[in-house]
Amino acid sequence: EDQVTQSPEALRLQEGESSSLNCSYTVSGLRGLFWYRQDPGKGPEFLFTLYSAGEEKEKERLKATLTKKESFLHITAPKPEDSATYLCAVHLGAAGNKLTFGGGTRVLVKP
Amino acid sequence: DGGITQSPKYLFRKEGQNVTLSCEQNLNHDAMYWYRQDPGQGLRLIYYSQIVNDFQKGDIAEGYSVSREKKESFPLTVTSAQKNPTAFYLCASSITSGTYTGELFFGEGSRLTVL
Repeated sequence: EDQVTQSPEALRLQEGESSSLNCSYTVSGLRGLFWYRQDPGKGPEFLFTLYSAGEEKEKERLKATLTKKESFLHITAPKPEDSATYLCAVHLGAAGNKLTFGGGTRVLVKP
Repeated sequence: DGGITQSPKYLFRKEGQNVTLSCEQNLNHDAMYWYRQDPGQGLRLIYYSQIVNDFQKGDIAEGYSVSREKKESFPLTVTSAQKNPTAFYLCASSITSGTYTGELFFGEGSRLTVL
């Protein structure tokens, strides 16, 4: 069964304390892995697309990387405004542009 | 501004009632989706549509129905057959042409509570 697992479930950081979030997947025929940010009570907001192992994408304090089995979202010197739930999703290339989401990592950055 | 509008933002339903959640987009996207999110969990796909007058079941379609009569609109009906309908419902849209980027544009969500 195709699965997407994110860890940890929750992460508490001090401002400036860098850390990494993990997204592991057991799927066949991966055609892309995607990261989203979700603020409480809001819809997710697209961050990155990664297509192949070794690929990296950056945006401000966030950097996403991809291997054959997992992806990492690195948060460098986080600020309180980086507090959110980060979701990863995979596209299996089946009929339709369906994404399968992981359970998310809730990140709280304290000043 | 282009975007996705969901309504209502909050909805309360008595058991046994059907309710319809509205989703309208003005992004000219062909594909639209409905996801359900339970507390502390990721998103699960209910239904999706890639073109007008056509839609497919997602992973948890039982107890739900949709229609796609217009490109801009993709309403979701939560029927009385849905055994645990209390959840946060998210509508999204995307392009279907060109290189697939996985970028879904989400609405603000509708929170349904069954009393």
